[in-house]
Amino acid sequence: QKEVEQDPGPLSVPEGAIVSLNCTYSNSAFQYFMWYRQYSRKGPELLMYTYSSGNKEDGRFTAQVDKSSKYISLFIRDSQPSDSATYLCAMSPYSGGGADGLTFGKGTHLIIQP
Amino acid sequence: DAGVIQSPRHEVTEMGQEVTLRCKPISGHNSLFWYRQTMMRGLELLIYFNNNVPIDDSGMPEDRFSAKMPNASFSTLKIQPSEPRDSAVYFCASWIAGGPHEQYFGPGTRLTVT
Repeated sequence: QKEVEQDPGPLSVPEGAIVSLNCTYSNSAFQYFMWYRQYSRKGPELLMYTYSSGNKEDGRFTAQVDKSSKYISLFIRDSQPSDSATYLCAMSPYSGGGADGLTFGKGTHLIIQP
Repeated sequence: DAGVIQSPRHEVTEMGQEVTLRCKPISGHNSLFWYRQTMMRGLELLIYFNNNVPIDDSGMPEDRFSAKMPNASFSTLKIQPSEPRDSAVYFCASWIAGGPHEQYFGPGTRLTVT
């Protein structure tokens, strides 16, 4: 079993729909959780990050972390065609300020239909 | 800022040849990461450096892979000899201690080994 599991999709939804993207993980040491967005033939870009459990909202995007279930989610409200991309979850142990390499899910390919 | 710079953007080589990928991190960033992305395995950490020192190379698949960071503004990832299964997109990312937790990714090098 990989440390981080993510459904690769593709996930196709109509414009304006609410999108739910999810990852599960097995390593209880993970405390720092991120969502990256990757457009075709580009490098990943950070969308949101959260530390430990809880919710975080940024505009149309909401990230949720449930450490008891080892489950994280990203919700996109009022989805737009420009949101079509691959969404990767990423995790690392909290290192108190030092940099750690990230453990990524395989990514979910999201398609927003106009 | 120009962001993370990688070269070449595309590389096609024959099996057995030496391949060298190059990365220039964002100025002032003191951590550098090499990742590899394939459809089968997703985005995987190969090695990372803090202040030019290799910290964790456990992700380097074989002795055919080596990485160096001779100074704060340059790193190389070398594959010698290359094999068809090395075909992937190789990303370099950089991060600054004390800064936001985002790792900034370069555009990637698409390597094809025939």
